[in-house]
Amino acid sequence: QSALTQPRSVSGSPGQSVTISCTGTSSDVGTYNYVSWYQQHPGKAPKVMIFDVSKRPSGVPDRFSGSKSGNTASLTISGLQAEDEGDYYCCSYGGTYVVFGGGTKLTVL
Amino acid sequence: EVQLVESGGGLVQPGGSLRLSCAASRFTFSSYSMTWVRQAPGKGLEWVSSLTGSGARIYYADSVKGRFTISRDNSKNTVYLQMNSLRAEDTAVYYCAKAIAVAGLLDLALDSWGQGTLVTVSS
Repeated sequence: QSALTQPRSVSGSPGQSVTISCTGTSSDVGTYNYVSWYQQHPGKAPKVMIFDVSKRPSGVPDRFSGSKSGNTASLTISGLQAEDEGDYYCCSYGGTYVVFGGGTKLTVL
Repeated sequence: EVQLVESGGGLVQPGGSLRLSCAASRFTFSSYSMTWVRQAPGKGLEWVSSLTGSGARIYYADSVKGRFTISRDNSKNTVYLQMNSLRAEDTAVYYCAKAIAVAGLLDLALDSWGQGTLVTVSS
């Protein structure tokens, strides 16, 4: 149940695209298509942005997209906006456990 | 809109116990699995425990197994987390969260979260 690996920080200017990677193992990300992504603003509860690798809950802008290749999942945010700034966590199902990534701080320059 | 309200957090000495509650409303509580996730100060999210809508299937993170017990009372629309043998490293904000769909358990994303309750383990 080791934490998934994410970059500690990423940044981009408004209008640009950024991608956050999330590397797991063949026991979780590599085997199951149950990767989700959460956005968290300071002092707030997390909010799901992507589930089942690439599905968007209603209300989440289509600027957010997810994908997976092998043991690595990715979250791409296109057309960056100021309100996208915050922490992002990936999460994967591992059969008998759930594991989160260490989190990535997104800064909109 | 779904509402989840946690309570029961506070300051407790190492080795002590605490029971967290999460009162749910505005959805069919018994149909959804529920999960506890915690976040240590300045740190990332950590899955703690999950159980199905009926409570028949339960899973725990290795870090809390044998010390924490998750349960639910569907007549009260409430999920609980009984925490025993608390350690300093259990200090965190504890969130309860609802599964995004009615079928499944650990494979489901979490689409509604409470505001969290802070547990501090310190002498």
